Amino acid sequence: QTVVTQEPSLTVSPGETVTLTCASSTGAVTSGCYPNWFQQKPGQAPRALIYSTSKKHSWTPARFSGSLLGGEAALTLSGVQPEDEADYYCLLYYGGVSGWVFGGGTKLTVL
Amino acid sequence: QVQLQESGPGLVKPSQTLSLTCTVSGGSISSGGYYWSWIRQHPGKGLEWIGYIYYSGNTYYNPSLKSRVSISVDRSKNQFSLKVNSVTAADTAVYYCARALMIRGVIETFDYWGPGTLVTVSS
Repeated sequence: QTVVTQEPSLTVSPGETVTLTCASSTGAVTSGCYPNWFQQKPGQAPRALIYSTSKKHSWTPARFSGSLLGGEAALTLSGVQPEDEADYYCLLYYGGVSGWVFGGGTKLTVL
Repeated sequence: QVQLQESGPGLVKPSQTLSLTCTVSGGSISSGGYYWSWIRQHPGKGLEWIGYIYYSGNTYYNPSLKSRVSISVDRSKNQFSLKVNSVTAADTAVYYCARALMIRGVIETFDYWGPGTLVTVSS
C-alpha cells in the first residue's frame, strides 16, 4: 500500500517563511508524480493551490510556491499571513498501481 | 466559471448502496479536456481519491475501492454519478465531486470542487 507522508503539524509566525514537505513510501517524488497541493479551511472544500510540482492556478497567491526538494515535494509559503492557517494536503500520482494518493495533511498554525 | 454541486441521501443503511450525483454548471461535461472525479474525506481525517470518468464513459478507480464503486455520466443532464455498494460505517464521509484537468492528454490537477456532502452509514 502506497503511503504519502506529510508533517502532521507546523507552527509559524506571521511574515515568516515555512516549507511543508510530501514524501512517498515508494521512493523519491518526481515530476512524474504530478505533485499537487491543496488548502482546506474548516467546513470548506479543498482549494487547489499548486499542480505539476510548481504550476500555480490563476487564483493562487504569489506567496505560495512548489518545488522538489531532496526527493520530496515541497510547498513554501513566503511571508505567511494569518489567513494561511489551514490544513494543507499534497497529492501524488502513481499510475495504475495506486492511482492518485493524498498525504495525511499538515495542520498549519499561524501564531 | 464552472461550478459543481453534489446531491443525494445523507443517510444510508449498512449493506445498502450509496448513490450520489454531481451536477456541473458553467460548462459542458462533454467538452473534453477534463475527467470528472469523486473524492471523499472521512470525518476529521484526510482525503481519498475514489475515481473519475471521461464524458465518453472511460473510468479509472482507486484499486482499493474498485470492487465496490462505479461512476457513470449523464451527458444530457450534465451530471455524473457515484455508486458505492455494500456500504459499512467505514464509508461514512464527506463526498466531493471535482473536475480533473487534462493538459496535453495527462491529468495534472483537480481544479474545481463541489462544496461536499456528508453521507452517514448507520442503521
